[in-house]
Amino acid sequence: AQSVSQHNHHVILSEAASLELGCNYSYGGTVNLFWYVQYPGQHLQLLLKYFSGDPLVKGIKGFEAEFIKSKFSFNLRKPSVQWSDTAEYFCAVNPEPGGSYIPTFGRGTSLIVHP
Amino acid sequence: DGGITQSPKYLFRKEGQNVTLSCEQNLNHDAMYWYRQDPGQGLRLIYYSQIVNDFQKGDIAEGYSVSREKKESFPLTVTSAQKNPTAFYLCASRNRESNTEAFFGQGTRLTVV
Repeated sequence: AQSVSQHNHHVILSEAASLELGCNYSYGGTVNLFWYVQYPGQHLQLLLKYFSGDPLVKGIKGFEAEFIKSKFSFNLRKPSVQWSDTAEYFCAVNPEPGGSYIPTFGRGTSLIVHP
Repeated sequence: DGGITQSPKYLFRKEGQNVTLSCEQNLNHDAMYWYRQDPGQGLRLIYYSQIVNDFQKGDIAEGYSVSREKKESFPLTVTSAQKNPTAFYLCASRNRESNTEAFFGQGTRLTVV
């Protein structure tokens, strides 16, 4: 079964600082990768996703992530964070279609951005 | 508007009682999922269903039960056998054929008193 590891559980930054959240997965086959965000009191929403093609994907609100197949990684980045980015971030993986789709999530990273 | 509706948003239960959490979607999705979210543990899969009348246990199914009698509905029952039921429960659905991402409901916060 696949697993997802998020390295940073808690991150505290000041506004305008750069952000990188690590995500590694363990699965031998082709995968689809996702980053979800959960703002305080709100439901999970998709930030960005990778299915195929350009390994550098851009999402909403200036976020981007790079899929590095050789490292089994899908790190999330943002050049300059804002106070409104305070949220919990989840990396998720699922095998490519053909098998059972069971989205597997990492433990999440809590990001606090100080104004 | 299409989406996933979970109800109620907050739920209180006495120890020893079963309680059922509702999850309804009007997205015409085949697959539906129940996750439990606890601080520092992320989302853990309780049950999932790929089609109507079929469901499978996830990683932490003990003390829970589900049914999938209709495509739109995937209720979760938290039984008295669940030792630590206080948590935030998230329902999700997905279109299997197009392999899109999963869409989530707003969640139900269950507190056992």
